[in-house]
Amino acid sequence: DAGITQSPRHKVTETGTPVTLRCHQTENHRYMYWYRQDPGHGLRLIHYSYGVKDTDKGEVSDGYSVSRSKTEDFLLTLESATSSQTSVYFCAISKGQENTEAFFGQGTRLTVV
Amino acid sequence: QQQVKQSPQSLIVQKGGISIINCAYENTAFDYFPWYQQFPGKGPALLIAIRPDVSEKKEGRFTISFNKSAKQFSLHIMDSQPGDSATYFCAATRSFSGGSQGNLIFGKGTKLSVKP
Repeated sequence: DAGITQSPRHKVTETGTPVTLRCHQTENHRYMYWYRQDPGHGLRLIHYSYGVKDTDKGEVSDGYSVSRSKTEDFLLTLESATSSQTSVYFCAISKGQENTEAFFGQGTRLTVV
Repeated sequence: QQQVKQSPQSLIVQKGGISIINCAYENTAFDYFPWYQQFPGKGPALLIAIRPDVSEKKEGRFTISFNKSAKQFSLHIMDSQPGDSATYFCAATRSFSGGSQGNLIFGKGTKLSVKP
């Protein structure tokens, strides 16, 4: 799994509560990404980071925020969880420069009730 | 222009047969096309990837065919095995050297079942 650890692996939370998902990498890769996977939609990019404190929005960023204070950690926060955010969340990393390969973590299954 | 269209949604193949999954893209700036394999409960794993300077790339039983003029690429799995049963995703992006941030655009996936 290319040295990527996502935590927690499973979480059930109530509507309106804040939730933070963590992605930790040991590869020292510059780029980190958060995707969500939903049936019939494939994987869609939420936010990404191109360096410490450098982040930007993806295709489905509404309701999510991210932070990257260290190279190895990329946090995804749902400020006030909604049922539409029930999904499987994947973190991915990429070295950048000439290497475009992206590697994914094992995922976090989030259920908002 | 950012879409990647994948077909079929599901595929059933007999053991030993050839599995073929097709993808089409719109953005001509894309220059990196990976395929991912995903088993239930696992993250997508990079299977094979191609750049548009070649028309075909083969790794073991897996081959990508690429048609730049048609903006299409496909995954061929030769001698399909029950262990190949998984969901396959095509993706596309512009490489970092082309000025992108490596954001992958994914197809919606193909669930492959290989029958013994």
